[in-house]
Amino acid sequence: AQSVTQPDARVTVSEGASLQLRCKYSYSATPYLFWYVQYPRQGLQLLLKYYSGDPVVQGVNSFEAEFSKSNSSFHLQKASVHWSDSAVYFCALIYSNNRIFFGDGTQLVVKP
Amino acid sequence: EAAVTQSPRNKVAVTGGKVTLSCNQTNNHNNMYWYRQDTGHGLRLIHYSYGAGSTEKGDIPDGYKASRPSQENFSLILELATPSQTSVYFCASGDAGNTLYFGEGSRLIVV
Repeated sequence: AQSVTQPDARVTVSEGASLQLRCKYSYSATPYLFWYVQYPRQGLQLLLKYYSGDPVVQGVNSFEAEFSKSNSSFHLQKASVHWSDSAVYFCALIYSNNRIFFGDGTQLVVKP
Repeated sequence: EAAVTQSPRNKVAVTGGKVTLSCNQTNNHNNMYWYRQDTGHGLRLIHYSYGAGSTEKGDIPDGYKASRPSQENFSLILELATPSQTSVYFCASGDAGNTLYFGEGSRLIVV
């Protein structure tokens, strides 16, 4: 069975600080992984995705993520956060028949 | 211009009543999905579809039916609504690279 674990329900950082949001996955086959962002009262939007190749993938708005097969992880990072980055971030995994399984999300709060 | 639109955006239903949530996409994507979002549970897949006429059960299909009469439209049907189905429902279409494009959500309260 597949699973996606986001161990931090809420992360608070100061504006301008660096950010890492953690994601661990469990899946028996090759993982295809995503990060989505959800702003208040909106649907989710894709930040980035990993299928294969370079384990560091670049996304929108200067976000990047690093895939680690040995650690079963796909952590999201940003060098310097802005207040507008405050949102809920979801890690997701494709599993059988193109279904996409989401983690429970991490709420990011950026303090001014 | 929104490519995935849901209606209604807000709905209050009575227990035992029938609720239909509608979704329309202009992306021309074959795949469409219905998820529900509850605090502490992220998004959970209810039903999905590979194209007109097809519906597949997701991870939590009990109490829900789905209908895909055309490429553009995908409905979620609650025949006998219960308070446990109070939630926010999201429709999404998926492209060939499995990127999902979400609607803005339908907030359902069952009293």
